[in-house]
Amino acid sequence: DTAVSQTPKYLVTQMGNDKSIKCEQNLGHDTMYWYKQDSKKFLKIMFSYNNKELIINETVPNRFSPKSPDKAHLNLHINSLELGDSAVYFCASSEGQGAGGYTFGSGTRLTVV
Amino acid sequence: KQEVTQIPAALSVPEGENLVLNCSFTDSAIYNLQWFRQDPGKGLTSLLLIQSSQREQTSGRLNASLDKSSGRSTLYIAASQPGDSATYLCAAYTGFQKLVFGTGTRLLVSP
Repeated sequence: DTAVSQTPKYLVTQMGNDKSIKCEQNLGHDTMYWYKQDSKKFLKIMFSYNNKELIINETVPNRFSPKSPDKAHLNLHINSLELGDSAVYFCASSEGQGAGGYTFGSGTRLTVV
Repeated sequence: KQEVTQIPAALSVPEGENLVLNCSFTDSAIYNLQWFRQDPGKGLTSLLLIQSSQREQTSGRLNASLDKSSGRSTLYIAASQPGDSATYLCAAYTGFQKLVFGTGTRLLVSP
């Protein structure tokens, strides 16, 4: 009965590799997000999608490419991974633009070595 | 540009104390403010959501207040317990699908 689920929970990979993180929500929300939590625990928005349409791209390098096959899924693909990409990535969802609050997934800890 | 700050950055209290966590935001034009809890290595759990038209929200031992005019929100935890130990994050929703997070307060409640 998990509301927002992400896979994998942990991801360790070498520099230069390409990896994907998957996210699914069963809340019926029409907006989904990717947030990045850096080493200082600060959370910042990366992308938002509303009904499969990209709404926000917060100056993220184009090595990061989100894809939303339907409004219940938002995946994040990262090309040519760099050491600085190591962080915790959170998926979230909201109804509409978010005035009703956000629901977050449990996060994916990405470590680039 | 909305900026959200939380004070203190860390707080250590003995079990049973009542405590207040503070959250300040620079732009009062927010739609709502949400308080989250994050346990080490875990995701974010929503605690309370206060709409801009509301002054406060309560859930169990938690009470959150919102004063838009002064750009402040507080989270009051009554009778703290060791299980309350976590990082508490406030986040202001500014519209256009943007939730701006604060810097967090790391709380430790000792038995």
